[in-house]
Amino acid sequence: TQLLEQSPQFLSIQEGENLTVYCNSSSVFSSLQWYRQEPGEGPVLLVTVVTGGEVKKLKRLTFQFGDARKDSSLHITAAQPGDTGLYLCAGLRSEKLVFGKGTKLTVNP
Amino acid sequence: GAVVSQHPSWVICKSGTSVKIECRSLDFQATTMFWYRQFPKQSLMLMATSNEGSKATYEQGVEKDKFLINHASLTLSTLTVTSAHPEDSSFYICSARTMAHSNQPQHFGDGTRLSIL
Repeated sequence: TQLLEQSPQFLSIQEGENLTVYCNSSSVFSSLQWYRQEPGEGPVLLVTVVTGGEVKKLKRLTFQFGDARKDSSLHITAAQPGDTGLYLCAGLRSEKLVFGKGTKLTVNP
Repeated sequence: GAVVSQHPSWVICKSGTSVKIECRSLDFQATTMFWYRQFPKQSLMLMATSNEGSKATYEQGVEKDKFLINHASLTLSTLTVTSAHPEDSSFYICSARTMAHSNQPQHFGDGTRLSIL
C-alpha cells in the first residue's frame, strides 16, 4: 500500500498550459516536501510546507498544504519545456521521509 | 548550498561481486545519512538510516547483512552491497541531514546506478 498517492502519474501538455499535481494520503504528516528529479540524478528540493493550509509560491509554481496536513498540491502556471521532469512529493512521518511515486511531466514546445 | 557527493555514479559488475558506494557531505557535517533505493518507474524507498558513530537502522525487509552501512565520520557514509545479484540492480541514492532534528532538510546525492550482470 502506497502511503502517499500522487496523481496523475504521467502528464503531457503543451507549452503555456497550466497544470496541477496532487499528493494525497490518509495519514497526517508533520511536513511535506516537493522535489524535482531529472533522469539519473538525485531529487532536488523545491519547497517544504509545514502548516496546514499553507501556500508557498516559487515563481510559476504554487504549493499548497491541506488544512489537515494529509494532502498537498503543486500548480504550475504557463508551463515551459524547462519544467519537464519527475515531480515527487514526500511526507515527513516518524522522522522519515515517505515518497510518492511521482508525476512525470512533459511540456512540449 | 549544501552539497552531497556520491561515488561512483555508475557501476556494472558481475554477479557475486561486492560493491561499495560512497556518500560524502562536502560542505557540512552530516549527523544523519539516509540510503534509498529506486527501481525503474518507482519511488524512492528508504533502506536505512545511519547516524555517525552508531549502527544503522534498517527498514523492514532490508537485509542488514547484505547491505552493509558504515558512517564512520560526519562527512562520509558507505553502503556496501555484498555478493550482489541481478535483482540488486537499482538506483541507489543517499541523503544527508545537518542535525539530528528531523525538521532539518535532507540534501540528496546524484545517485549511483548499479547494474549486476
